[in-house]
Amino acid sequence: ILNVEQSPQSLHVQEGDSTNFTCSFPSSNFYALHWYRWETAKSPEALFVMTLNGDEKKKGRISATLNTKEGYSYLYIKGSQPEDSATYLCLYSSASKIIFGSGTRLSIRP
Amino acid sequence: EADIYQTPRYLVIGTGKKITLECSQTMGHDKMYWYQQDPGMELHLIHYSYGVNSTEKGDLSSESTVSRIRTEHFPLTLESARPSHTSQYLCASSTLDTEAFFGQGTRLTVV
Repeated sequence: ILNVEQSPQSLHVQEGDSTNFTCSFPSSNFYALHWYRWETAKSPEALFVMTLNGDEKKKGRISATLNTKEGYSYLYIKGSQPEDSATYLCLYSSASKIIFGSGTRLSIRP
Repeated sequence: EADIYQTPRYLVIGTGKKITLECSQTMGHDKMYWYQQDPGMELHLIHYSYGVNSTEKGDLSSESTVSRIRTEHFPLTLESARPSHTSQYLCASSTLDTEAFFGQGTRLTVV
């Protein structure tokens, strides 16, 4: 059974600190890795879609890297702010499958 | 460890059949959600519930229906499946607006 693992499951960070968390996924048949930010009753916000080994994407204070050979992606948040509090979800897709991680729940302490 | 479960993980079914996708959580969360993702597209909210006997439609129109008779269950039903319903369905639950627990998803194929 193929699994996507996100770690840690929960994270509490002081405002202003930088943080990062991990998404591990199958390295075979890789097509794309998505990162989403989830908050309240609306569709998750798409942060990044990465397809190539070594990809690095950046959006404001948030950035992500991708290693398809070893099957992991890191999401970094620089200088955490209270509005960064959310659940961050990664999603792996191959040509025939989409597998979701269980999310990392990030809480920023003022 | 997240205690939210979706069954089945994979389902292939014929056109016209009635299907129910199950989602259960053991965390006592009031809020539950269903999302849909088509290949190459983004994840979209199709239904949500803030408690027993409360259901609302999300920002993506869907022919599916949901019910919330018990806190722990939030099943999604398609009365008559069509090939256009082929998609990935993801269930989630939460107690806070910034924390969600996600199921493993159900991949539905209607032939």
